[in-house]
Amino acid sequence: AQSVTQLDSQVPVFEEAPVELRCNYSSSVSVYLFWYVQYPNQGLQLLLKYLSGSTLVKGINGFEAEFNKSQTSFHLRKPSVHISDTAEYFCAVSGQGGGNKLTFGTGTQLKVEL
Amino acid sequence: DAGVTQSPTHLIKTRGQQVTLRCSPKSGHDTVSWYQQALGQGPQFIFQYYEEEERQRGNFPDRFSGHQFPNYSSELNVNALLLGDSALYLCASSLWGTINNEQFFGPGTRLTVL
Repeated sequence: AQSVTQLDSQVPVFEEAPVELRCNYSSSVSVYLFWYVQYPNQGLQLLLKYLSGSTLVKGINGFEAEFNKSQTSFHLRKPSVHISDTAEYFCAVSGQGGGNKLTFGTGTQLKVEL
Repeated sequence: DAGVTQSPTHLIKTRGQQVTLRCSPKSGHDTVSWYQQALGQGPQFIFQYYEEEERQRGNFPDRFSGHQFPNYSSELNVNALLLGDSALYLCASSLWGTINNEQFFGPGTRLTVL
C-alpha cells in the first residue's frame, strides 16, 4: 500500500517569486510519482511524472520536481510563478507496472498574488 | 482527438436514490478508473475496469458498482445515495500494460445529494 503526504494545505506567494510545494510518500514497493494540477471546476491535468532515470523531472508550464529516494520526497518547484498558476496541486503515487491505481495526497492550494 | 469525456456535468439527487455516471475514454485507451473527490480532498480510487472486468477496487462499499462496455466506455452506479456521496466523480483512462501508467482525467461529474 502507498500513502502521500502534502504538508502544506495552502501556499501564498507573490507573482514572479519562486515556489516549492512539498510531497512525501510511503510505499513498500517501488513507485512512480506524479504531480497533477486542478483548476477551479475542472478535472486533473498531469504536470510531470517520475518513472525512472534522472531524479530531476521537468514538466509543463515551467514546473520541475526532484525525486529523493532516501527522503521519500518528490517536491514540486517553479522558479518564477505567474497569476495563472493559481490552482490546486496534487501529488500522487502508484505502484510500478501497468494498471496500478493512483493514490493522491490531500492537495496544496497555490495562491499567487500581485 | 477527443480526450476523456464524462456525462452529465452536474447532477442533483436526493437521499436513497440511485445514480449512473458515464465515461468515454481517450481514443486508444482500454482501461477506465473511477475516483471520488470530496470537497477539499484529494481524489480517492473507487475501482478500475479492463476487458469489461473490475480489476482493482478501493475502500468503497458495494453500493458503488460499475460496468465497462465492449467499446471501453464505462458507467459508475451508486445505489441508496447518502449525503456523504456528494462529490466530484472523476474518470481516468489509460492503456493497460504500459509501463508509465499515465492516466488521463475527464472534467468530472459533480454529484450533489440532498
